[in-house]
Amino acid sequence: DVKVTQSSRYLVKRTGEKVFLECVQDMDHENMFWYRQDPGLGLRLIYFSYDVKMKEKGDIPEGYSVSREKKERFSLILESASTNQTSMYLCASRPPPGGGSNEQFFGPGTRLTVL
Amino acid sequence: KNQVEQSPQSLIILEGKNCTLQCNYTVSPFSNLRWYKQDTGRGPVSLTIMTFSENTKSNGRYTATLDADTKQSSLHITASQLSDSASYICVVSDNYGQNFVFGPGTRLSVLP
Repeated sequence: DVKVTQSSRYLVKRTGEKVFLECVQDMDHENMFWYRQDPGLGLRLIYFSYDVKMKEKGDIPEGYSVSREKKERFSLILESASTNQTSMYLCASRPPPGGGSNEQFFGPGTRLTVL
Repeated sequence: KNQVEQSPQSLIILEGKNCTLQCNYTVSPFSNLRWYKQDTGRGPVSLTIMTFSENTKSNGRYTATLDADTKQSSLHITASQLSDSASYICVVSDNYGQNFVFGPGTRLSVLP
């Protein structure tokens, strides 16, 4: 089974702090994604990566950055956390395009609260 | 603009009853449509995938339908169980399955 793990289930930070959210997948997937999930809005794509050291902005990248130094690990960074970044953060990975399936496999999520 | 809408926003049913969740989309070009189940405090898990040529697909007590002409999909749950309590998310892919557009989800509560 594909396993996607996230470093924390719950996190509480203060405004202005630097926040690191880490995601690790064990299926050797090239593609990895970071989403945030807010009530009534669905999942919104922050950043994605299709290979090591490669990254692409999603729909809402402002206030976030990412790092992909190793294939299995994709980190989301909040340089200076703000209260409007309080949300559920979900990481996902998927096989490369053309592999027959575009199913995304999600981690359990990190609920971040910024005070 | 590519959008996915779901209805109802929330639903409460009694254990053993059936229910149907709706998904309407305006995503183009269409590649496929997935239904995900998201238990509270967990990440979404894929239930079923529908491609353009498929009208109906079942996964146990879950049956998904797709009408590509009207751009509508439904997820029917038969003989509901308490463990069906979750959010159900409709996701449509465009661009040969590269981009994903997520619906807001339907929150289902099954009561004993």
